[in-house]
Amino acid sequence: DTAVSQTPKYLVTQMGNDKSIKCEQNLGHDTMYWYKQDSKKFLKIMFSYNNKELIINETVPNRFSPKSPDKAHLNLHINSLELGDSAVYFCASSQDGRSEAFFGQGTRLTVV
Amino acid sequence: GDSVTQMEGPVTLSEEAFLTINCTYTATGYPSLFWYVQYPGEGLQLLLKATKADDKGSNKGFEATYRKETTSFHLEKGSVQVSDSAVYFCALSSGNNRLAFGKGNQVVVIP
Repeated sequence: DTAVSQTPKYLVTQMGNDKSIKCEQNLGHDTMYWYKQDSKKFLKIMFSYNNKELIINETVPNRFSPKSPDKAHLNLHINSLELGDSAVYFCASSQDGRSEAFFGQGTRLTVV
Repeated sequence: GDSVTQMEGPVTLSEEAFLTINCTYTATGYPSLFWYVQYPGEGLQLLLKATKADDKGSNKGFEATYRKETTSFHLEKGSVQVSDSAVYFCALSSGNNRLAFGKGNQVVVIP
């Protein structure tokens, strides 16, 4: 029973397209995150939500729009995809804003 | 703001060698500290944690001690195996709804 699951695992798309990545956690956690991992493995926080409310928006372009329909889900929609958006995107959750985070398996996005 | 610094560059060592990966941090207050491991093609897994000064986290033969006086949380393992080859990340949380990560260290263990 996967704790944090995100879909799809791989996403290949053309520049200019719009795509979504879905994330669900079954841990009953209050806080959810999106992280971006670049080709050098560097992890950068994009968004943080607590009980469906946006807490952190880390200077991410407006083309990225997170949506949290309930506290178990945090989806990421990306408009007008650019080459530089190619990366691995990780969803994660934690019990609160201080505890360890549990990560999904990642979505490898390739923009061509 | 919060930040984590890990030693530069990959780490290559022979099986059964001693592993140390250095981690220092800057944070407000008293953060919780973590080590995560990422195997190829997978997500991050929590390896160990420590939530207050002088706590020692341990798991799978790995250890790290929360040193407030030196703001450090170095990872150690006495005898590595090929299966320990992965990327290791040091991280902290100050309770501000974010986990700050170091840049990670690729560890390669040669048989």
